[in-house]
Amino acid sequence: QQPVQSPQAVILREGEDAVINCSSSKALYSVHWYRQKHGEAPVFLMILLKGGEQKGHEKISASFNEKKQQSSLYLTASQLSYSGTYFCGTERNNNDMRFGAGTRLTVKP
Amino acid sequence: DGGITQSPKYLFRKEGQNVTLSCEQNLNHDAMYWYRQDPGQGLRLIYYSQIVNDFQKGDIAEGYSVSREKKESFPLTVTSAQKNPTAFYLCASSINHLGTGGHQPQHFGDGTRLSIL
Repeated sequence: QQPVQSPQAVILREGEDAVINCSSSKALYSVHWYRQKHGEAPVFLMILLKGGEQKGHEKISASFNEKKQQSSLYLTASQLSYSGTYFCGTERNNNDMRFGAGTRLTVKP
Repeated sequence: DGGITQSPKYLFRKEGQNVTLSCEQNLNHDAMYWYRQDPGQGLRLIYYSQIVNDFQKGDIAEGYSVSREKKESFPLTVTSAQKNPTAFYLCASSINHLGTGGHQPQHFGDGTRLSIL
């Protein structure tokens, strides 16, 4: 029931862009994106609902393709502070959130 | 300030011992969750509760138990039946979106790191 994330890890230089993908085999009501720094709790970034919407948070945006049950997180002009592990969480209809295995993003100077 | 408090931050368990991890929130959230995170891995759902006196098993509930007697509290007991308890445990809460049409973010505590002695 857990969504599948890809890639598992990404290494970028400051200013480069990255895309993280999240897909599910189940029909979804929403997709959540979180970022976790090492040894800390995950921090909420954004929620995307059915309808193919896109959202943005600073230079981080995401899309949700309801028909394909996929979501993508776009990181533009990456900064050192973007380093961490990104998790997508998928939600069906009864608060039963499931998280992907995570994508470790490293941004180097 | 509103938030979620997990305690203790570090916990050690002896063989055959049950231990209880505390999770308290003052956000007035109905829904609460427990996740287990192993090194380099994602969050796996242990139990969740949508409302007081009700809870459901997640994907890895075996060897764990919970209670939800108060809205603010959702303690997790790691029983002796859980043979590999070493992990980082995260508690989260959210507004229960059922019936409201909205989907709400989860707020996480700082976690409890459990190890075997």
